[in-house]
Amino acid sequence: SSELTQDPTVSVAMGQTVRIACQGDCLRNYYAAWYQQKPGQAPLLVNYGKDIRPSGIPDRFSGSRSGNTASLTITGAQAEDEGDYYCMSRDSSGNELVFGGGTKLTVL
Amino acid sequence: QVQLVQSAAEVKKPGASVKVSCKASGLSITRHYMHWVRQAPGQGLEWMGVISPTGEITSYAQRFQGRVTLTRDTSTSTLYMELSSLRSEDTAVYFCARDHSDADQSVWWFDPWGQGTPVIVSS
Repeated sequence: SSELTQDPTVSVAMGQTVRIACQGDCLRNYYAAWYQQKPGQAPLLVNYGKDIRPSGIPDRFSGSRSGNTASLTITGAQAEDEGDYYCMSRDSSGNELVFGGGTKLTVL
Repeated sequence: QVQLVQSAAEVKKPGASVKVSCKASGLSITRHYMHWVRQAPGQGLEWMGVISPTGEITSYAQRFQGRVTLTRDTSTSTLYMELSSLRSEDTAVYFCARDHSDADQSVWWFDPWGQGTPVIVSS
């Protein structure tokens, strides 16, 4: 089992706001990075650290951390936001990187 | 343009080894840590290991220790991931990715990623 726990599925109505959570004790010491993955494609970085978005990522994607939980919030979800979302962090030992199990986002 | 281009799909028999390549362009592999991640069919992402900019340091996920070897060829800017003693559970898409971290070492992120190399292990 992963050190980072994510809900397997989340759905949101188009235009509404959705939060994807990632829970783990290691997040008390490290920030998370978030990736979006669509079928047959490599993961795409969408947010990391203290809410930093790579160039080209829409500002509707925001990140935060509270205690042992990191969150990716999509404000005004669009159809193209459907996909799998993974959080990543260093593990509690500091020796390895770990991914959450992934959250499949459906935009209704 | 920063790009990582990986080798083509492989089909291997159980017990064999596979060596996947990842050619970097627009970035110097002598300046970045480079990681390997895999994804089994219908499953999540799994970190396998990392190789340092000098190539002298490698670190592997505990579950792959003894079976995975990361190397590189600076003359061709190519990274390699070799996995030995293959079993059916190693059937997956294997990705390479460039490492980034902040000055405080409080966050790591991967960008860009290679397109992935499918490896099928079947008798």
